[in-house]
Amino acid sequence: ETGVTQSPTHLIKTRGQQVTLRCSSQSGHNTVSWYQQALGQGPQFIFQYYREEENGRGNFPPRFSGLQFPNYSSELNVNALELDDSALYLCASSLAGLDEQFFGPGTRLTVL
Amino acid sequence: RKEVEQDPGPFNVPEGATVAFNCTYSNSASQSFFWYRQDCRKEPKLLMSVYSSGNEDGRFTAQLNRASQYISLLIRDSKLSDSATYLCVVIDRSGTYKYIFGTGTRLKVLA
Repeated sequence: ETGVTQSPTHLIKTRGQQVTLRCSSQSGHNTVSWYQQALGQGPQFIFQYYREEENGRGNFPPRFSGLQFPNYSSELNVNALELDDSALYLCASSLAGLDEQFFGPGTRLTVL
Repeated sequence: RKEVEQDPGPFNVPEGATVAFNCTYSNSASQSFFWYRQDCRKEPKLLMSVYSSGNEDGRFTAQLNRASQYISLLIRDSKLSDSATYLCVVIDRSGTYKYIFGTGTRLKVLA
């Protein structure tokens, strides 16, 4: 196991609602990246946090936002949920400047 | 054009077969590459890094062709347990070290 945990494992929401997903990074890692994986697709980069600051963002609208805390854990918030937000959300922790990222088990979000 | 492209498959092969996947990337400045394996509804797990000199780990061999901008994964003596989706990853080192994934190639090894 990677030591990266995510909660909850599954979540069902309705359109227009808001959701918060959580990620605890591997001990000693200071960087967290979030990815969205729709069915049949590869994961897509949402954003990355390094030392509590956003450090890069993919092609996602502002209703996707995040936080990183002093202990390097992180949250992903999605407002005004849309049907297309249904996906597996993965977080990955790493050490800044190194290539390898370690993935958590993901949160499967279903929007009805 | 997508930054990283893979044939989605599925590749259905008999046990014991040799199978190869390719992945092309568009950014010639890309420096680092990985192959990840993903089982159904699970997180991706690192299979192997891809180096310019090639990389072999047991039945798995990864190659990089910078001139043609593709990486490959060869699996020899396929096992039923190799059935999974194989994701090609290109690392964008321009600040974030973000992963750029291909869509994945599905492999099914048949008894």
